[in-house]
Amino acid sequence: NAGVTQTPKFRILKIGQSMTLQCTQDMNHNYMYWYRQDPGMGLKLIYYSVGAGITDKGEVPNGYNVSRSTTEDFPLRLELAAPSQTSVYFCASSQGPGGEKLFFGSGTQLSVL
Amino acid sequence: TQLLEQSPQFLSIQEGENLTVYCNSSSVFSSLQWYRQEPGEGPVLLVTVVTGGEVKKLKRLTFQFGDARKDSSLHITAAQPGDTGLYLCAGAGSGAGSYQLTFGKGTKLSVIP
Repeated sequence: NAGVTQTPKFRILKIGQSMTLQCTQDMNHNYMYWYRQDPGMGLKLIYYSVGAGITDKGEVPNGYNVSRSTTEDFPLRLELAAPSQTSVYFCASSQGPGGEKLFFGSGTQLSVL
Repeated sequence: TQLLEQSPQFLSIQEGENLTVYCNSSSVFSSLQWYRQEPGEGPVLLVTVVTGGEVKKLKRLTFQFGDARKDSSLHITAAQPGDTGLYLCAGAGSGAGSYQLTFGKGTKLSVIP
């Protein structure tokens, strides 16, 4: 069981560069999420999706974009990377909304220098 | 905005000791989840509590949901080095915003052999 797979595991970007963080899940979950985790700050929701073709902003969406063309994939796009986007990014999926169990990927550690 | 305060932020104890971690809010949650996260990995769900006053046990871990569904606690009996990790609580709202979980900032536990 692969679950939620994120790539890459690590990445270093220069200020102003762009990149896409990939996320795919094989559990046929409709709900998918992108979180960022900063030291001592818990998890903050960036964007979420309730199904293919439907996305919405979370708590901290500025500087990011997402798309959901299939049930399986939910990529996160960073345009014009800034040092404030240095963080660990987690993709997650769930069978339902709200209090349903979240399945997390292993994270992408991103540094913007 | 719903907030979850976790305490303590850091905890370092000797193997065999007992400990309690707290998760408090002024908001009511429809359910509350506890996750454990190990370095370099995503959080993994330990338990979900739904009913006010509910107590759930997972081996040496005891979880309690407050009667008013505003707070929760995690008690570990006879801690083991394998319990080391970051413990996160997450609350689910109801109605609008129920897609989003509110995460606490976490309690980093170190169990010293």
